[in-house]
Amino acid sequence: EAQVTQNPRYLITVTGKKLTVTCSQNMNHEYMSWYRQDPGLGLRQIYYSMNVEVTDKGDVPEGYKVSRKEKRNFPLILESPSPNQTSLYFCASSSWTEAFFGQGTRLTVV
Amino acid sequence: AQKVTQAQTEISVVEKEDVTLDCVYETRDTTYYLFWYKQPPSGELVFLIRRNSFDEQNEISGRYSWNFQKSTSSFNFTITASQVVDSAVYFCALSMLRTSYGKLTFGQGTILTVHP
Repeated sequence: EAQVTQNPRYLITVTGKKLTVTCSQNMNHEYMSWYRQDPGLGLRQIYYSMNVEVTDKGDVPEGYKVSRKEKRNFPLILESPSPNQTSLYFCASSSWTEAFFGQGTRLTVV
Repeated sequence: AQKVTQAQTEISVVEKEDVTLDCVYETRDTTYYLFWYKQPPSGELVFLIRRNSFDEQNEISGRYSWNFQKSTSSFNFTITASQVVDSAVYFCALSMLRTSYGKLTFGQGTILTVHP
């Protein structure tokens, strides 16, 4: 079964405390990306990766880092989270014709 | 640049009413895909449909139907005889294969509430 797994589903943290949201896919897709969802703004792309060791900024990359050391994994790193990064985050894994999304991570930074 | 506009922020209907969610897109590419996703209160994104730019046939799936018109750059979604379980946020999205393979550009979303 095609699957994108991201963890954790919910996270409350404090300003400045580094955190990592993990994402893993089992479809052997080359393209993976991270989105954040905010009310009235839809989903916006944070970072994407077209293959192992190939990553690039999306539309809203400030305050985030990513890495792609293996094809299946694409973690999102917040080195020093701030309250404006409170959001719902989605990892996606894509082919030419379809996109699969993880279940979402609801992050609150206090 | 590409853009997707869902002008209806919120729609409220009574069960059994028909409802249409509008989606207008902008792109210079000739090859692209259009998507609709449903986001129920539980938060996950549920894929509903994908349509490529060369296929303007309308599609019907049960109570759901989609009307794709390239002439007006629209990809509207109609729910016939709405039900309470249709209450969700609905997103329209655009993907350009040639210039931004894999990236989806989303509209702002439409919150649909179906009252009993």
